[in-house]
Amino acid sequence: ELKVEQNPLFLSMQEGKNYTIYCNYSTTSDRLYWYRQDPGKSLESLFVLLSNGAVKQEGRLMASLDTKARLSTLHITAAVHDLSATYFCAVDKGSQGNLIFGKGTKLSVKP
Amino acid sequence: DAMVIQNPRYQVTQFGKPVTLSCSQTLNHNVMYWYQQKSSQAPKLLFHYYDKDFNNEADTPDNFQSRRPNTSFCFLDIRSPGLGDAAMYLCATSRDLNRVTEAFFGQGTRLTVV
Repeated sequence: ELKVEQNPLFLSMQEGKNYTIYCNYSTTSDRLYWYRQDPGKSLESLFVLLSNGAVKQEGRLMASLDTKARLSTLHITAAVHDLSATYFCAVDKGSQGNLIFGKGTKLSVKP
Repeated sequence: DAMVIQNPRYQVTQFGKPVTLSCSQTLNHNVMYWYQQKSSQAPKLLFHYYDKDFNNEADTPDNFQSRRPNTSFCFLDIRSPGLGDAAMYLCATSRDLNRVTEAFFGQGTRLTVV
């Protein structure tokens, strides 16, 4: 059974600081997704990582994928309050297109 | 412009009274998904359609059904909602099953059961 684990589940950080969210998954997959969710809202796609060694950056967020270690990271650089949200990683279960989500990391960026 | 549209955004239904949630897409994607997300939890796939082929997840309760009358529309029917079915229901689409590059999510319908 595919399991996706994120840590930390809660993250409180100060503006201007750097931090990394980790996403481990239990079986082979070369497709990993990061989503952002604001309270009461839907999921916004941030990154799609499709191969080993993939690295993508958008603004203060950078995501990477190591399929051999079954690990993806979401790195936050110089955090700002607008980044406060819950971040989910998700792994494709297989050809059926079933995304298995991690439990999410609730990020709070404080002044 | 919204590409995956869910209606209504908020739905209140009575315990045991059937309710239908609606999703439409302008992307002409082959696959449409329904996810359930309970408060402070991760989204969980209920079922998906690949074209007209329906695929139910093994642990999706029989109380949940779906219809896809055409490419653009997909409905989630809850036959007898219980208090435990209160959740955000998310519809998503993707171009293909085997080449899932991105799933586009609608804004969600928040269901309250009273």
